[in-house]
Amino acid sequence: EVQLVESGGGLAQPGGSLRLSCAASGFTISNYWMHWVRQVPGKGLVWVSRIKSDGSSTAYADSVKGRFTISRDNAKNTLYLQMNSLTAEDTAVYFCARDPDYLGYSDFDCWGQGTLVTVSS
Amino acid sequence: DIQMTQSPSSLSASVGDRVTITCRASQNIRSHLNWYHQKPGKAPNVLIYAASSLQSGVPSRFSGSGSGTDFTLTITSLQPEDSATYFCQQSYDLPYTFGQGTKLEIK
Repeated sequence: EVQLVESGGGLAQPGGSLRLSCAASGFTISNYWMHWVRQVPGKGLVWVSRIKSDGSSTAYADSVKGRFTISRDNAKNTLYLQMNSLTAEDTAVYFCARDPDYLGYSDFDCWGQGTLVTVSS
Repeated sequence: DIQMTQSPSSLSASVGDRVTITCRASQNIRSHLNWYHQKPGKAPNVLIYAASSLQSGVPSRFSGSGSGTDFTLTITSLQPEDSATYFCQQSYDLPYTFGQGTKLEIK
């Protein structure tokens, strides 16, 4: 079964850090671009970051640039999001998602169940 | 950033109805438009990619059309399990942006 499972969410202090993980099973992440998307409960979806299949290229939303770092370990079939200098505005459910980038078209065809990050003192 | 505007923000329809949700992009995104639905407490699921291609496993009552700036998701013969929030997403340019969502209620 194709599956993504996030972990690492929880409560963090303002200014603190968290590292999210996204473990893939049933497929090899080295064949896919991978993304992080976040959603404040009850609100809309916001794209956060993307990493190329071989890890050679990354991109970030302006709101997290310089604070968050996306990375991948293809050998462990796992995607990561290192989140530093957290603020209350980073509070959200974080999803990882797979992007087949088929013929130049991107879509998110497999999502994890999400992990909740709460930033509060 | 490319702004995605969906309408309506909510709608209510009956089983068997045909419903249409529209999505407008603030600039030309060719056919780089995806549709997802999301049920409470769950992750989104892709329905349509590249504006009109049906994702494998998605019922054929879902269809998408459009290109450029105006897009449509149509659900024919509405089923109870179609109750969800529907989002469009442009994947033409980073940051990939989503519409604000359309909440579909089944009467």
